Amino acid sequence: GENVEQHPSTLSVQEGDSAVIKCTYSDSASNYFPWYKQELGKGPQLIIDIRSNVGEKKDQRIAVTLNKTAKHFSLHITETQPEDSAVYFCAASHFGNEKLTFGTGTRLTIIP
Amino acid sequence: DAEITQSPRHKITETGRQVTLACHQTWNHNNMFWYRQDLGHGLRLIHYSYGVQDTNKGEVSDGYSVSRSNTEDLPLTLESAASSQTSVYFCASSVAAYNEQFFGPGTRLTVL
Repeated sequence: GENVEQHPSTLSVQEGDSAVIKCTYSDSASNYFPWYKQELGKGPQLIIDIRSNVGEKKDQRIAVTLNKTAKHFSLHITETQPEDSAVYFCAASHFGNEKLTFGTGTRLTIIP
Repeated sequence: DAEITQSPRHKITETGRQVTLACHQTWNHNNMFWYRQDLGHGLRLIHYSYGVQDTNKGEVSDGYSVSRSNTEDLPLTLESAASSQTSVYFCASSVAAYNEQFFGPGTRLTVL
């Protein structure tokens, strides 16, 4: 089955700096890669996703890049703000196996 | 507004007891999922359903069961609770594959 590895497990950045979280996946058939943000005491919430027909997608301060050859994808957050502090999860799935396989999460702390 | 709810939010039970966690969504989504969240493991899929009368096992299904008698509900039952099942449980739903999964607020279960 699919295996998704996520790094780092914890990340602290100064407010205003950029944060990058990286994930690798094992199943070359995977073609859908969402990122979820989980705030304290709440369920995860989708913040951005990318399909394998594109290499990059942006939404304001958030971007995701995908390298299908290397089987890795990354989340980039620019101009970080205190409200970006949360746990972030990457995930992967593919047509015919529509379940999401999640990474182990990254706890991001923004230092004021 | 449409939503997904879980009950109870907190539950303490004893080893060997049967426990049922409720999940209810008002979006009329076909897909529903149960995950458990444990430190160092991220979100792991327990069971999932693609519609009424359809249920499928996830990667950590031993000791758990689900039933889908209508579109709105997917209750999760622990047949004989074990201490290893102490965890936070999340229910999620989606309209179809490759679409956002909407997560409930979670149920924290402690098995003593």
